[in-house]
Amino acid sequence: GDSVTQMEGPVTLSEEAFLTINCTYTATGYPSLFWYVQYPGEGLQLLLKATKADDKGSNKGFEATYRKETTSFHLEKGSVQVSDSAVYFCALSDRQRGNNRLAFGKGNQVVVIP
Amino acid sequence: DSGVTQTPKHLITATGQRVTLRCSPRSGDLSVYWYQQSLDQGLQFLIQYYNGEERAKGNILERFSAQQFPDLHSELNLSSLELGDSALYFCASSVGQGDYWEKLFFGSGTQLSVL
Repeated sequence: GDSVTQMEGPVTLSEEAFLTINCTYTATGYPSLFWYVQYPGEGLQLLLKATKADDKGSNKGFEATYRKETTSFHLEKGSVQVSDSAVYFCALSDRQRGNNRLAFGKGNQVVVIP
Repeated sequence: DSGVTQTPKHLITATGQRVTLRCSPRSGDLSVYWYQQSLDQGLQFLIQYYNGEERAKGNILERFSAQQFPDLHSELNLSSLELGDSALYFCASSVGQGDYWEKLFFGSGTQLSVL
């Protein structure tokens, strides 16, 4: 079935550093791709999305580009802040199936040190 | 605040017991989704209801059941609990029947600990 794979392990970096979190997907249909963020003690929030190949989603300084040729949707931010510390989930939903049930990656804990 | 309310926030129970988790969707949202977040499995889709009817089913065990009531709140019932059922259970809602363009709004979850 449809699935998402995120890079293993937490990410620890200093404030103002560049952040990249890798995400690749496997899907038979025409997936929409998402990044969700989970701050401590809270539910998931949609960070950004892209619904077709070559679309770029962006929000709060984060960006991700839907790359069909590499089946990837990597998340990037040029200069992170301590407030960006959270767990980040890549996800997809299959448009062809016409269903919004999301398949999530396992998430990456990001810790930004002042 | 997402507008999705889940109760209780924490639940501690013993193996073999039965519990009920409750979710109130955002005002006006007709779909409710249940997800389970565990350390080994990650975030897994369990089931979706739309306007009182089951719409999609995921990796939900037979010991688990859910329903959506006429006022659109939903309950997830977990029975014959096992240690491995310990997880964070999220509810989400969306405005329509679950088309891909609909935004999901998540509650803050119910942490279930089975001892």
